[in-house]
Amino acid sequence: DTGVSQNPRHKITKRGQNVTFRCDPISEHNRLYWYRQTLGQGPEFLTYFQNEAQLEKSRLLSDRFSAERPKGSFSTLEIQRTEQGDSAMYLCASSLGGGFTEAFFGQGTRLTVV
Amino acid sequence: QQQVKQSPQSLIVQKGGIPIINCAYENTAFDYFPWYQQFPGKGPALLIAIRPDVSEKKEGRFTISFNKSAKQFSLHIMDSQPGDSATYFCAASIEGGGNKLTFGTGTQLKVEL
Repeated sequence: DTGVSQNPRHKITKRGQNVTFRCDPISEHNRLYWYRQTLGQGPEFLTYFQNEAQLEKSRLLSDRFSAERPKGSFSTLEIQRTEQGDSAMYLCASSLGGGFTEAFFGQGTRLTVV
Repeated sequence: QQQVKQSPQSLIVQKGGIPIINCAYENTAFDYFPWYQQFPGKGPALLIAIRPDVSEKKEGRFTISFNKSAKQFSLHIMDSQPGDSATYFCAASIEGGGNKLTFGTGTQLKVEL
């Protein structure tokens, strides 16, 4: 399968714990995006990378969130001191270059904070 | 601030019908308007996209109509099938803005036999 891969698919954690998600983009794609989707809503942009550089972060991304893409390939999204409001589907997408290029989404990681 | 408004929230049509989903945007800097289809448990997948220099684009049974002056665009699904039952999202982005997408709130479509 050469699509965008996200792990884990599901994560249940206790409030206050830290969690980390991984995204493996399509191999030749230099852009990688993280979005968050809550029930009944469209995905909301969180951050994106071009190669290893994090070029933009949304105001939605509080200080408890950090994302990395150390070698310009896979990316991780860490949430520290999770809160119940962090419960959502976290989607990763990748695309080749800029301009009007298609963004391919992974299946997401569903986080439940109890 | 919601920059892309989508309606209706849900829609039920009979097989063969033509569901229409509407979106309106506020930011005139948007210059790329894709529609995504999402099935339960899956990530969104690109269906069709349009740029503001054309008023209509058709791909198979899917058509986007675009009205730049009204800042509105819509998706029409011709000869709808039960397999089209999914959630549809309109989105918008700015070419020079990293192509990050601003999504509408989604329309849950059900096509009945």
